[in-house]
Amino acid sequence: DTGVSQNPRHKITKRGQNVTFRCDPISEHNRLYWYRQTLGQGPEFLTYFQNEAQLEKSRLLSDRFSAERPKGSFSTLEIQRTEQGDSAMYLCASSLAGVAGGLFYEQYFGPGTRLTVT
Amino acid sequence: AQSVSQHNHHVILSEAASLELGCNYSYGGTVNLFWYVQYPGQHLQLLLKYFSGDPLVKGIKGFEAEFIKSKFSFNLRKPSVQWSDTAEYFCAVNLNNDMRFGAGTRLTVKP
Repeated sequence: DTGVSQNPRHKITKRGQNVTFRCDPISEHNRLYWYRQTLGQGPEFLTYFQNEAQLEKSRLLSDRFSAERPKGSFSTLEIQRTEQGDSAMYLCASSLAGVAGGLFYEQYFGPGTRLTVT
Repeated sequence: AQSVSQHNHHVILSEAASLELGCNYSYGGTVNLFWYVQYPGQHLQLLLKYFSGDPLVKGIKGFEAEFIKSKFSFNLRKPSVQWSDTAEYFCAVNLNNDMRFGAGTRLTVKP
């Protein structure tokens, strides 16, 4: 399977603990996105990378959240001092970069990591 | 505020009925529009997309969508639904690499 993969698929943690999720994008894709999805809502954009550079961060991404893509391939999303409100599905997506002039390629999504904070 | 609105939260249809799911967005300027589907237990998959040209776009599994710029709408249609179309459907707008999703419409097709 050459799609986007995410690990772990499920994570249960206690409030105050740190958690880290991993995303492996489709190999030829240079853009990688993180989203959060809560019940009854669509995915909410958190941040995205082009290669190893983090180009945009949403206001939803508080100081407790950090994302990295050190070699421009896989990415990690870390949440420090988790809170119950962090419980959600965390989705990763990847795409090719758009060319100048505004052509945007579709994003391919992984299965997500479901985080439960108790 | 810039947003994507899906008016129907839950739609229940019988097999062979026609489907239309509404999507409106409030962004000005050039946008790229998408419909994604999430089948039970599966990840989001692209159904169709509109970038430019013919405003009537056809996607996989018999779905189509029409971009009406004057109405800021991108409604999804299928002439005859099947039980296997039971899923959640998300409209999305890509504006300067910032993909905004609607809240989703849950479709239940009764056999």
